[in-house]
Amino acid sequence: KQEVTQIPAALSVPEGENLVLNCSFTDSAIYNLQWFRQDPGKGLTSLLLIQSSQREQTSGRLNASLDKSSGRSTLYIAASQPGDSATYLCAVNSGTGKLIFGQGTTLQVKP
Amino acid sequence: GAGVSQSPRYKVAKRGQDVALRCDPISGHVSLFWYQQALGQGPEFLTYFQNEAQLDKSGLPSDRFFAERPEGSVSTLKIQRTQQEDSAVYLCASSLRPTGGTSNTIYFGEGSWLTVV
Repeated sequence: KQEVTQIPAALSVPEGENLVLNCSFTDSAIYNLQWFRQDPGKGLTSLLLIQSSQREQTSGRLNASLDKSSGRSTLYIAASQPGDSATYLCAVNSGTGKLIFGQGTTLQVKP
Repeated sequence: GAGVSQSPRYKVAKRGQDVALRCDPISGHVSLFWYQQALGQGPEFLTYFQNEAQLDKSGLPSDRFFAERPEGSVSTLKIQRTQQEDSAVYLCASSLRPTGGTSNTIYFGEGSWLTVV
């Protein structure tokens, strides 16, 4: 059974810092991995999707990496801003279509 | 519409009441998913539709939960005889293609917040 874990559960950093959020999964047989952002009281916004054959994806200040063999993904946020404050969720698609989510990392970027 | 739309956004139900939650996916999207998100947790899969066919309902927690998508577009999640443990956010999501595609981005609605008192 696929299990997804995110560390840390919460993170507080000063504005301008670069930071890394971690995601690990137990079964390396995945189709893709997706990082989402969730603001309080809102739904999920897709940030980056990494195919199983890819190593990384970049969008603006965000870079996500994938290492299937070790069951790990990281989300790197460069030059963090207060507007980046949100909960970040990673989710694995093992090919059945349903996403298995981690519990999320709640990020606070202080001005 | 431009995104996945859910209604009602907020619902307070008395224990034992039946509720119905509606999802309007992005037009033309084949796949539709329902997830349940408890406070402080990640979303958990409930059920999946490909057009009007419910292909996976393995995540539905009990027979009090029922979902349908009769015409392959709008979907309704129904919860009968609600209990306090049903209090959660119910998220609907859709994607353009059937599942399994490696580039199948999934788009989520803002959720229906259910509180059972």
